[in-house]
Amino acid sequence: RKEVEQDPGPFNVPEGATVAFNCTYSNSASQSFFWYRQDCRKEPKLLMSVYSSGNEDGRFTAQLNRASQYISLLIRDSKLSDSATYLCVVMEAGGYNKLIFGAGTRLAVHP
Amino acid sequence: NAGVTQTPKFQVLKTGQSMTLQCAQDMNHNSMYWYRQDPGMGLRLIYYSASEGTTDKGEVPNGYNVSRLNKREFSLRLESAAPSQTSVYFCASSQSSYNEQFFGPGTRLTVL
Repeated sequence: RKEVEQDPGPFNVPEGATVAFNCTYSNSASQSFFWYRQDCRKEPKLLMSVYSSGNEDGRFTAQLNRASQYISLLIRDSKLSDSATYLCVVMEAGGYNKLIFGAGTRLAVHP
Repeated sequence: NAGVTQTPKFQVLKTGQSMTLQCAQDMNHNSMYWYRQDPGMGLRLIYYSASEGTTDKGEVPNGYNVSRLNKREFSLRLESAAPSQTSVYFCASSQSSYNEQFFGPGTRLTVL
């Protein structure tokens, strides 16, 4: 079983749609959680951290369910510029705080 | 600030050739990382350097070596390239292991 699993997509949605991505992780001791965004043939960039109480940044809402080991990202009012791959990332505590990356979910927003 | 820079952007090697991928950051970060990204898989950590003067193996270190030349620079060497090392290589840096990692633009390597 992969340590961080995501639906690869692609999710094809029209502008203005609401879309949700899910992610599950296998290590219950994982400490911190993030969503990164990666544009085609570019480097990953941090989109937002995910907090236990859930957090929102504009049109983006991230939620964490520790009991189910599940993370979600909700994008409201999708824009063409939201088209990208969204990477679910989990930080594992230990001797060194290693980041474990999911393979990503691809989103394509069309006019 | 350039952030994290990597050279070269593209490289084609023949099996058995060697090369060094260069990475530099100008953010005065303590920690630096090398990842590889393959289709259908998440980024996988090859090596990391928690601070200047230290390096440690990540998830997939076989076939690679690294050097933390100074605080700014962290290089990745392939001594004898193999087709299985065809990948996109990303360097990243962070202030510490708890902080956000910033990535370079990547090096696309093909080994024939």
